[in-house]
Amino acid sequence: AAGVIQSPRHLIKEKRETATLKCYPIPRHDTVYWYQQGPGQDPQFLISFYEKMQSDKGSIPDRFSAQQFSDYHSELNMSSLELGDSALYFCASSLEGRATQYFGPGTRLLVL
Amino acid sequence: AQRVTQPEKLLSVFKGAPVELKCNYSYSGSPELFWYVQYSRQRLQLLLRHISRESIKGFTADLNKGETSFHLKKPFAQEEDSAMYYCALSEENQGGKLIFGQGTELSVKP
Repeated sequence: AAGVIQSPRHLIKEKRETATLKCYPIPRHDTVYWYQQGPGQDPQFLISFYEKMQSDKGSIPDRFSAQQFSDYHSELNMSSLELGDSALYFCASSLEGRATQYFGPGTRLLVL
Repeated sequence: AQRVTQPEKLLSVFKGAPVELKCNYSYSGSPELFWYVQYSRQRLQLLLRHISRESIKGFTADLNKGETSFHLKKPFAQEEDSAMYYCALSEENQGGKLIFGQGTELSVKP
């Protein structure tokens, strides 16, 4: 069965650079969530989208933005990267919010 | 304030022993509780959700609203159960975002 796909799987950037993370939800899933997991920490909710509209916002820095496109894939754009942005970024998708979330493998971002 | 608390960072048991991974939450409404598991180098996978009242891979979890707990239990641990376990909460009418606990690493020794 198709799962949530994230690309790239690994990304190395330098401070002040920008990064774009992509998430392709399970087919027919209309809701996408982004989470950030720092080293040794639990996943923290960043932002979510339902039917291409932002549905909720968590502890997402102003330097980050995200959107969901007409094909339901989502992109997380990160600008002016800081060392503290180094983390594992998970995307999850679900059908009709509050249902089971299916997670992608994550993108590991390292900021040097 | 931490909404989901998993007091044990690491839990080590021998194969065949019972295991209980603790999870407490703070939420005044009607939460939905989940257990997610992450095996080595794999993605987070749903193990249980409280409304399903299922037993998956021998694991069960009961929501105790009086004690605000959702402990994960298995009577006989297996080596393949070694993984990172996260308890998570979803608040009602909040779009489904998950609030995770700190995670408990379960190590099952032969």
